[in-house]
Amino acid sequence: GDSVTQMEGPVTLSEEAFLTINCTYTATGYPSLFWYVQYPGEGLQLLLKATKADDKGSNKGFEATYRKETTSFHLEKGSVQVSDSAVYFCALTTSGGYNKLIFGAGTRLAVHP
Amino acid sequence: GAVVSQHPSRVICKSGTSVKIECRSLDFQATTMFWYRQFPKQSLMLMATSNEGSKATYEQGVEKDKFLINHASLTLSTLTVTSAHPEDSSFYICSASQTGGSSGANVLTFGAGSRLTVL
Repeated sequence: GDSVTQMEGPVTLSEEAFLTINCTYTATGYPSLFWYVQYPGEGLQLLLKATKADDKGSNKGFEATYRKETTSFHLEKGSVQVSDSAVYFCALTTSGGYNKLIFGAGTRLAVHP
Repeated sequence: GAVVSQHPSRVICKSGTSVKIECRSLDFQATTMFWYRQFPKQSLMLMATSNEGSKATYEQGVEKDKFLINHASLTLSTLTVTSAHPEDSSFYICSASQTGGSSGANVLTFGAGSRLTVL
């Protein structure tokens, strides 16, 4: 079945460091791919998405490119801030809607000054 | 923006008791709400989809008599874990979609989650 695998955390970085969180997927058909972020004490928020191969999603300095050839959707940011500390979830849906979101396990990012 | 409130955020109960978790859309109407479950270091797993005024649709392997879902109004869905046991201990998360919104995950709003511990 469809699945999402993302790197285990926690990821600990210094402020202004470069961030990569790996995400790979297995899916039939043509999935849409998403990154969600959960800040402490809050609900998941959509960070960015890409709906077809080679699309690049971007938001708040984060980017991820839909790579069909490697079935990947790695999250990157050039310079992280302490306020980026959160749990990041990679997800996909192939249903054409949004109710069948399949999530990865989440990666906790901790950024220290 | 759209806000979804979950209550309680944490609950501890004794084995054999029932626990109710509420999911409310605070500033929008939600015809559809979703309930997820997350085990430590594992993915969020969709448990069921609830539609206002109708029976919930459960995912394969989820016991509908164990996890009772009620979506009685456009702003409230409840998940009741009946006769809870320690293996039901988990993090439960709801999400809601806005009435009349276009399809797509960008109109899904998630609650902050409820951590259930069954002793």
